[in-house]
Amino acid sequence: GQNIDQPTEMTATEGAIVQINCTYQTSGFNGLFWYQQHAGEAPTFLSYNVLDGLEEKGRFSSFLSRSKGYSYLLLKELQMKDSASYLCAVRGGSGYSTLTFGKGTMLLVSP
Amino acid sequence: DADVTQTPRNRITKTGKRIMLECSQTKGHDRMYWYRQDPGLGLQLIYYSFDVKDINKGEISDGYSVSRQAQAKFSLSLESAIPNQTALYFCATGDRVRNEQFFGPGTRLTVL
Repeated sequence: GQNIDQPTEMTATEGAIVQINCTYQTSGFNGLFWYQQHAGEAPTFLSYNVLDGLEEKGRFSSFLSRSKGYSYLLLKELQMKDSASYLCAVRGGSGYSTLTFGKGTMLLVSP
Repeated sequence: DADVTQTPRNRITKTGKRIMLECSQTKGHDRMYWYRQDPGLGLQLIYYSFDVKDINKGEISDGYSVSRQAQAKFSLSLESAIPNQTALYFCATGDRVRNEQFFGPGTRLTVL
């Protein structure tokens, strides 16, 4: 089976740094995705990790440790517009399989 | 123009009615997906299709059916809608290599 855990809610202050963690237990592993979703809108792609290590893209970075079944999304220089839900999703199994999504972490950025 | 479009964007219907949600894409992807999203439950996969002749059930397919009319079109039907099918429905497409998924704007369905 697939199990993905991430915190339900987090709060942070504008300009700060926040780390959103995701742990997973899946049958096979073929990549981990992070998506951002504003309320009532579609999820949008943020990052993709398939090998261990850190991927950096502007203010957003994502880290993966396959041996620990662990990833985090790091958001720097927080802005009010970063208030959103952040979804961790894992592509499990082998070959071309589907994504399993976590329930999402709601991040609230305050002034 | 949007790459993935969904119609309708909002729909209110009554218990027992048949409903069809439509999805079209211009991304040229073979893979298409239907998800529902409920508050606190994240995205749950209903059905997916890897090409026109391939249809697969997801984790919550009961009460739903789909049709892949063409590479670019994937429709979701509720044969007899019930109130617990009230949710936000998303269509998505995926590329073959990474399976990065691109989502449509969503359809908010309310079943009274």
